[in-house]
Amino acid sequence: ELKVEQNPLFLSMQEGKNYTIYCNYSTTSDRLYWYRQDPGKSLESLFVLLSNGAVKQEGRLMASLDTKARLSTLHITAAVHDLSATYFCAVFMEYGNKLVFGAGTILRVKS
Amino acid sequence: GAVVSQHPSRVICKSGTSVKIECRSLDFQATTMFWYRQFPKQSLMLMATSNEGSKATYEQGVEKDKFLINHASLTLSTLTVTSAHPEDSSFYICSASSQGLNPGNTIYFGEGSWLTVV
Repeated sequence: ELKVEQNPLFLSMQEGKNYTIYCNYSTTSDRLYWYRQDPGKSLESLFVLLSNGAVKQEGRLMASLDTKARLSTLHITAAVHDLSATYFCAVFMEYGNKLVFGAGTILRVKS
Repeated sequence: GAVVSQHPSRVICKSGTSVKIECRSLDFQATTMFWYRQFPKQSLMLMATSNEGSKATYEQGVEKDKFLINHASLTLSTLTVTSAHPEDSSFYICSASSQGLNPGNTIYFGEGSWLTVV
């Protein structure tokens, strides 16, 4: 059974600082997704990473995937308050053809 | 605008009654839809995979007789919570894509439905 671990689970950071959220998974997968969720809302797609070494960037967020290490990172550059949300990674599990979500990282950016 | 629409967005029902939540793909045909449940401050847990024209595939621990899923057309899947109890109160989210979870295929999530059982 695929296990997906995110850390940290809670991150409080100052505006302007950089930080990284990590997503580790336990079995082989070649596909990983990052989502953002605002309180009381559904998921917003951020990135889809489809191959080893994939790197994608949008604004202050950059995501990467290392399938050999079974690790994805979501890097936040010069955080701003608007980035406050919960971030989930989700890993594609071929057996069962489904996504398995991490526990989520609650990000609070303080001004 | 939303490409996957859920209805209702919020519903309150009495214990013992049934409630139906709809998930529609608005401008594409979805052979597969997924239903998730999310308790407050927790992650999304897949309940079942809904396949058009066939029976849904339920995850381990999810009662198929309690959570009835019907995917009668390529644009509509419904989740019916039967004999609802307060512990069924949760945020239910559906997702859909035009070609399942094939690489490069966009997965769209519905807006979610808040269910409160009193």
